[in-house]
Amino acid sequence: EVQLEESGGGLVQPGGSLRLSCAVSGFTVSANYMTWVRQAPGKGLEWVSLIYSGGGTYYADSVKGRFTISRDNSKNTLYLQMNSLRAEDTAMYYCARDRLFRGPFDAFDIWGQGTMVTVSS
Amino acid sequence: DIQMTQSPSSLSASVGDRVTITCRASQSISIYLNWYQQKPGKAPKLLIYAASSLQSGVPSRFSGSGSGTDFTLTISSLQPEDFATFYCQQSYTKPFTFGPGTKVDI
Repeated sequence: EVQLEESGGGLVQPGGSLRLSCAVSGFTVSANYMTWVRQAPGKGLEWVSLIYSGGGTYYADSVKGRFTISRDNSKNTLYLQMNSLRAEDTAMYYCARDRLFRGPFDAFDIWGQGTMVTVSS
Repeated sequence: DIQMTQSPSSLSASVGDRVTITCRASQSISIYLNWYQQKPGKAPKLLIYAASSLQSGVPSRFSGSGSGTDFTLTISSLQPEDFATFYCQQSYTKPFTFGPGTKVDI
């Protein structure tokens, strides 16, 4: 069964750090593009970061320099290291598979259930 | 960055109604446009990719159209389980951006 399970969220003080994990079953993380998307409470969806199967990474400007996306192929797990956290980073964080349909068309076809990050003193 | 807008921001409809949601991009994105449905407390679900292609397992009452800057999502006959918020998203260039969402109340 294809499944993504996030963990690692919680309450952290401003300026602190957290590492989110996304354990994947049913497909190989390293052979796919993987992404993180977040959603602040009561707000819309915001794309955060992407890692290509080849290892290239991309970030939203709002997190560039503070967040790092990575993966552990042996554990088939995706990560998001979040440093220098701010109140505006408070959100539900979802991992998702970024699939290429019909060649060049990216879409996020499989999602985890999310892990909540709250940045507050 | 490419800005995505949606209209309306919310709508109320009845079971059986035909519902149309519009999404507009701030510049041409060809057909690099996806639609997602999100129910309260749940993760988003991919409905349509590449503007008009139905994701596997999605009911055929959902359809998408458009290219360039203007796109539509149509629900041909609204069902009770379609109560949700719908988001468009461009995958033409990074940063990938979502529209603000359209909440559909039954």
